[in-house]
Amino acid sequence: DGGITQSPKYLFRKEGQNVTLSCEQNLNHDAMYWYRQDPGQGLRLIYYSQIVNDFQKGDIAEGYSVSREKKESFPLTVTSAQKNPTAFYLCASSPGQDRYGYTFGSGTRLTVV
Amino acid sequence: AQTVTQSQPEMSVQEAETVTLSCTYDTSESDYYLFWYKQPPSRQMILVIRQEAYKQQNATENRFSVNFQKAAKSFSLKISDSQLGDAAMYFCAYRIFGAGSYQLTFGKGTKLSVIP
Repeated sequence: DGGITQSPKYLFRKEGQNVTLSCEQNLNHDAMYWYRQDPGQGLRLIYYSQIVNDFQKGDIAEGYSVSREKKESFPLTVTSAQKNPTAFYLCASSPGQDRYGYTFGSGTRLTVV
Repeated sequence: AQTVTQSQPEMSVQEAETVTLSCTYDTSESDYYLFWYKQPPSRQMILVIRQEAYKQQNATENRFSVNFQKAAKSFSLKISDSQLGDAAMYFCAYRIFGAGSYQLTFGKGTKLSVIP
């Protein structure tokens, strides 16, 4: 079955460490996205990519980095520069046409300890 | 910049009753898409319904329907015959038509509780 796989489901990070969240899709979608979800804040866009080897900053990109070396994969690195990284992170993809919504992964809960 | 506002942080409904969740948006565009997503306690985001702004007819998906008022920039979701499984966070979202970028802008969500 086609879908998006995010791993791990739960991730704990010590302060000062970088961590990478995985996002893989087998839907043959062109566009992929990373959102951060905090209580009462809705979903805020971190980065997005419309084609391989290209990506753009979203509204809250500071302290995060991404790569898009393969169409199927869009990993997110949370760097030590991110001041408050504890949050729920959602990855999504879409066919790259306006009329479609997103297909979402099941999310990664990141906690700084 | 486009914004999406959901003015009801929390709502509740009796099982089998009808509830309406509100959403307003701000845009200068004439063509766009609007979406409602459901996020149950599992936190999996599920697309509930979609509306194209150029269509006057309100979208319907089984017990879910929308009231799209383009002039008022309003996009409310009506859930009929509410079921316990409808309890979730509901997010309204907006996407520009034909802009070459496909990201959605989300509201902050409405938490819906269903009372047995």
